[in-house]
Amino acid sequence: GQNIDQPTEMTATEGAIVQINCTYQTSGFNGLFWYQQHAGEAPTFLSYNVLDGLEEKGRFSSFLSRSKGYSYLLLKELQMKDSASYLCAVRDDDRGSTLGRLYFGRGTQLTVWP
Amino acid sequence: GAVVSQHPSRVICKSGTSVKIECRSLDFQATTMFWYRQFPKKSLMLMATSNEGSKATYEQGVEKDKFLINHASLTLSTLTVTSAHPEDSSFYICSARDFSGGRQETQYFGPGTRLLVL
Repeated sequence: GQNIDQPTEMTATEGAIVQINCTYQTSGFNGLFWYQQHAGEAPTFLSYNVLDGLEEKGRFSSFLSRSKGYSYLLLKELQMKDSASYLCAVRDDDRGSTLGRLYFGRGTQLTVWP
Repeated sequence: GAVVSQHPSRVICKSGTSVKIECRSLDFQATTMFWYRQFPKKSLMLMATSNEGSKATYEQGVEKDKFLINHASLTLSTLTVTSAHPEDSSFYICSARDFSGGRQETQYFGPGTRLLVL
């Protein structure tokens, strides 16, 4: 089975830094994704990690440790518009007819206060 | 970036009717598309993998006769909710993976279809 765990809610203030953790236990692994989702909208891609280490992209960074089944998303210089749900997703192995399925955690609802 | 569209964006139907939702990849070919559903304040639940030219692969617990998937071309997959009931009301989202141009790491999501069954 697939088990992806992340906190349900987090709050932070404008300008601060926040780290959203994700742990996973899956039968296969071919990459970990972070998506941002605003209420009533589809998810938008933020980051992708397949090797251990840190990937930085502007105000967002994502870290992966495959041996620990652990990832985090780091958001710097928080803005009000960053208030959204952040979804951690693990991609299954690229085999057969279910090529690269994504399994999602329940999402972390981040609220940024002024 | 790659674009995926869905149609309709919102649909209201009577119980017992069938509803078809289209998912299109607009600027790339997608041999594989995925269908998800999402309940309010819940995460995305993968329903099935749609494979161009072959049968869809359904996740455990998803009724294949209830949720018919057809992937007739490299840019179009359709999900038909047959004999819809109020409990089928949900947000349905498709995604497609672009294997061309080195962008294969990413799945691109459509804007979603909100279904309300009365």
